[in-house]
Amino acid sequence: GQNIDQPTEMTATEGAIVQINCTYQTSGFNGLFWYQQHAGEAPTFLSYNVLDGLEEKGRFSSFLSRSKGYSYLLLKELQMKDSASYLCAVRERDYKLSFGAGTTVTVRA
Amino acid sequence: GAVVSQHPSWVICKSGTSVKIECRSLDFQATTMFWYRQFPKQSLMLMATSNEGSKATYEQGVEKDKFLINHASLTLSTLTVTSAHPEDSSFYICSALMGNTIYFGEGSWLTVV
Repeated sequence: GQNIDQPTEMTATEGAIVQINCTYQTSGFNGLFWYQQHAGEAPTFLSYNVLDGLEEKGRFSSFLSRSKGYSYLLLKELQMKDSASYLCAVRERDYKLSFGAGTTVTVRA
Repeated sequence: GAVVSQHPSWVICKSGTSVKIECRSLDFQATTMFWYRQFPKQSLMLMATSNEGSKATYEQGVEKDKFLINHASLTLSTLTVTSAHPEDSSFYICSALMGNTIYFGEGSWLTVV
């Protein structure tokens, strides 16, 4: 199984940058995903890392270090609509996804 | 647009009855789909892996006789909650693998009264 840890809550100001860290332990790593989930809705895909390094997609970037079992999601130029829960998920070789508890990000004006 | 569609979005049923939730892949074939359950303010918990043409694989602690999964075609998986009880009230979400990405359906809120 996996042990996926991420902070419970983070608060930041509109226009700022926030970095959400995720550490994991798994026996059969096959990719790390970040999802955004607004209250009462299904998760939406943000990013996917399978190799070490940084993946940039607009205001969102995700980094992976497989040797350290570590990833982060970077949110730049924060907007009010970015207030949501951000889920770190690790995929195993059988394509099962295991989720962290999620980080609730609150963006304040 | 959505690549995975889930129906119904909301359902209320009486205790002791059964309810079926459908998950469809749109414009692609999904040999494998996954069913998750999420209680309020908690993370998604994998219930089972649905395999087209074969039996579903259930996670530890999930009752296979209570949560019936049928993956009869390459675009449709169904989850039936049998003899539902109030503690089964939850947000149920399916997902499907397309390429290297896993996409989620819109989710189904089940309330058992």
